[in-house]
Amino acid sequence: GAVVSQHPSWVICKSGTSVKIECRSLDFQATTMFWYRQFPKQSLMLMATSNEGSKATYEQGVEKDKFLINHASLTLSTLTVTSAHPEDSSFYICSARLGAFTDTQYFGPGTRLTVL
Amino acid sequence: GESVGLHLPTLSVQEGDNSIINCAYSNSASDYFIWYKQESGKGPQFIIDIRSNMDKRQGQRVTVLLNKTVKHLSLQIAATQPGDSAVYFCAEEDKGGKLIFGQGTELSVKP
Repeated sequence: GAVVSQHPSWVICKSGTSVKIECRSLDFQATTMFWYRQFPKQSLMLMATSNEGSKATYEQGVEKDKFLINHASLTLSTLTVTSAHPEDSSFYICSARLGAFTDTQYFGPGTRLTVL
Repeated sequence: GESVGLHLPTLSVQEGDNSIINCAYSNSASDYFIWYKQESGKGPQFIIDIRSNMDKRQGQRVTVLLNKTVKHLSLQIAATQPGDSAVYFCAEEDKGGKLIFGQGTELSVKP
């Protein structure tokens, strides 16, 4: 149980284009989903917290107009990187949590974004 | 500010030996800690967690120890296997329910 999937697993795009990444909880309903970014040899950095049916809460320094997050259902959250630039190239990982605080977060397999 | 850090960025062990990965945290109010394993190109995988009302918790071949006095967390892996090679992260959950990750320790298991 507690499987989280991401799609696509990797994507290459041209600078200036937008890319959408999907995060799905396959066997549970996730009240809260989180989006992280990870650069090579570094730790995970939280970008935003997404609650179903409400606006995402972004961490300091993360541009909400550049990283659009939609959490339309209890099993799906999407992250859209708008007008992508090479510096946005990174490993994007989502996680999902069933319910309240201190519930375990289950992570997706990640999406490798490369912007040319 | 809040931070979670690891003492050793890399750890190399012989297959069959026990591994110990350490982590220090700074927020004494934290009450939930998790260890994750991340293999190359994959997302973090939950290993074991512990709450602040405990000082030890055991799983299959893994043990997490929590020392609240010195704000220290450790992960012990018994009989380390090649498949254990990965980066291990400790994480601390803040009062807002967000995870703060440590820098990670890369575990390398020599056959």
